[in-house]
Amino acid sequence: ILNVEQSPQSLHVQEGDSTNFTCSFPSSNFYALHWYRWETAKSPEALFVMTLNGDEKKKGRISATLNTKEGYSYLYIKGSQPEDSATYLCATGTYKYIFGTGTRLKVLA
Amino acid sequence: GAGVSQTPSNKVTEKGKYVELRCDPISGHTALYWYRQSLGQGPEFLIYFQGTGAADDSGLPNDRFFAVRPEGSVSTLKIQRTERGDSAVYLCASSLNQGGMNEQFFGPGTRLTVL
Repeated sequence: ILNVEQSPQSLHVQEGDSTNFTCSFPSSNFYALHWYRWETAKSPEALFVMTLNGDEKKKGRISATLNTKEGYSYLYIKGSQPEDSATYLCATGTYKYIFGTGTRLKVLA
Repeated sequence: GAGVSQTPSNKVTEKGKYVELRCDPISGHTALYWYRQSLGQGPEFLIYFQGTGAADDSGLPNDRFFAVRPEGSVSTLKIQRTERGDSAVYLCASSLNQGGMNEQFFGPGTRLTVL
């Protein structure tokens, strides 16, 4: 059984601040790590799929890194904007995703 | 193109009633998944379909829960004799093929409240 943990649980930042949060997962039997952004009343939106140790991916102001040997991934948001406010979920597994509990980000204007 | 859609978006029911939740996957996606997110938790896997058949139903919590996908497209999650603990957001996802690197695309969920 895999346990995926995310920290912090919630975070308030000021507009323009940069921020980051963590996803931890068991390093054994690693397959892929997924990051999703989930805004209230909308569908979770896929941000990144990461598979290789040392992977770094970027999408606009958001980037992520992956360390499969120690079992963690970081998500970074540069220059946070109010529209970045959402819950950020990470998940691992093959077809049966195991999700963390998410980090709820609120960006204050 | 259309994404994954789920109906209803909200469902309020009374304890003991039967409910059906519907999922319309992205056209052409052969794999379909149901997850449930309870308050304060991450989404938890319920069941996975490849085509019309349930390839893995190990996440269904008990025999009150059942899901079908008779024509390999739309799926219905059925819950009998609902209990207050069934209150959650039920998410559906689809992918082009079975799991792995095939990204799962999610619908907006159905929020079920059992009074």
